[in-house]
Amino acid sequence: DAGVTQSPTHLIKTRGQHVTLRCSPISGHKSVSWYQQVLGQGPQFIFQYYEKEERGRGNFPDRFSARQFPNYSSELNVNALLLGDSALYLCASSRETGLIADTQYFGPGTRLTVL
Amino acid sequence: GQNIDQPTEMTATEGAIVQINCTYQTSGFNGLFWYQQHAGEAPTFLSYNVLDGLEEKGRFSSFLSRSKGYSYLLLKELQMKDSASYLCAVHNAGNNRKLIWGLGTSLAVNP
Repeated sequence: DAGVTQSPTHLIKTRGQHVTLRCSPISGHKSVSWYQQVLGQGPQFIFQYYEKEERGRGNFPDRFSARQFPNYSSELNVNALLLGDSALYLCASSRETGLIADTQYFGPGTRLTVL
Repeated sequence: GQNIDQPTEMTATEGAIVQINCTYQTSGFNGLFWYQQHAGEAPTFLSYNVLDGLEEKGRFSSFLSRSKGYSYLLLKELQMKDSASYLCAVHNAGNNRKLIWGLGTSLAVNP
């Protein structure tokens, strides 16, 4: 079975531009979470979506938005890019049965560089 | 507040045993995860503890004490390929269900 996939793998943008990152979850997983990871730090939670609804939001500005599609794939959008947005953006999928904490499985990430 | 603490760096020798500690203070608790992350790669799942005690999985074991807000990851028979960052993450119960991550412990395994 295919794991979590993300595209693109690498991206270079300039300040002020916007970017769209894409994620396809593992088949059968209905939840997608997005994380930002700066070098040397743990992942920082951005969003979680379940059944196309936003379930959780981290402490990120409104420049960050996301959505989940009927096939459970997801997009993360970042507007008005800043130099500080340079990071590895990770997508993780889980079953989210709602009963216990389901294991999150990560995609390979998108390395975003803002110049 | 919510806080997860892990040592920043550890060094060990090939073939040895190493214990990586994690302490946490969160408003809710619905389980603790350990992930391994090699440089430039995504985190990969190692273990999940929701009840007190030791979970063993091959060379890796994970322990949890909910009353103490404490967990550790035990790596036995260390191999060079175990050099990586080890991330502790607590699943926060409640309306804003999310994983709260530690900064990770960078483990260097030397020959």
